[in-house]
Amino acid sequence: AQTVTQSQPEMSVQEAETVTLSCTYDTSESDYYLFWYKQPPSRQMILVIRQEAYKQQNATENRFSVNFQKAAKSFSLKISDSQLGDAAMYFCAYRNYNDMRFGAGTRLTVKP
Amino acid sequence: GAGVSQTPSNKVTEKGKYVELRCDPISGHTALYWYRQSLGQGPEFLIYFQGTGAADDSGLPNDRFFAVRPEGSVSTLKIQRTERGDSAVYLCASSLVGEGEQYFGPGTRLTVT
Repeated sequence: AQTVTQSQPEMSVQEAETVTLSCTYDTSESDYYLFWYKQPPSRQMILVIRQEAYKQQNATENRFSVNFQKAAKSFSLKISDSQLGDAAMYFCAYRNYNDMRFGAGTRLTVKP
Repeated sequence: GAGVSQTPSNKVTEKGKYVELRCDPISGHTALYWYRQSLGQGPEFLIYFQGTGAADDSGLPNDRFFAVRPEGSVSTLKIQRTERGDSAVYLCASSLVGEGEQYFGPGTRLTVT
């Protein structure tokens, strides 16, 4: 079974600084997708960034970027120039066809 | 356009009662997913619909849980004889096709007392 592990239950960052959230996963598949979702108190899961496993280039979306290490099965999220609105739960997710698995989440606090 | 909507937003019920949770996917999305998110955890897959049929219901925890999507759009998650352990946020997501990007609704917070 595929599992997703987020080893940091909580992280804190100063506004305008950079923070990295960690994620590792376990799979025997070679073709899959990886995602980072943001979940604010409103409960709505918002897609932050996605990475196709066959792509070697790390995905980037504005202030958000990933470090995808396929051999190590690692998929970390870097948030640059952190803003107060970035405060939320962040979930790493793995998807192979219709099988989607989430990690337990990391609560990010942004200090003004 | 309108996103995925779920009703009710919150539901409190007594142990042993029956509840129905509704999901309205984005118009035109053929795939629909139900997840359960317990406190302090990530969402866990329950069931996946492609059109009207349940393509994968392997995540349903037991036979008290059932879901339908009779016309291929709105879906209802039904829980019989609710237990306190069923308390969680139930999330629905839809995608244009089976392997497309999933768009999530705001969830229904179910509390069983």
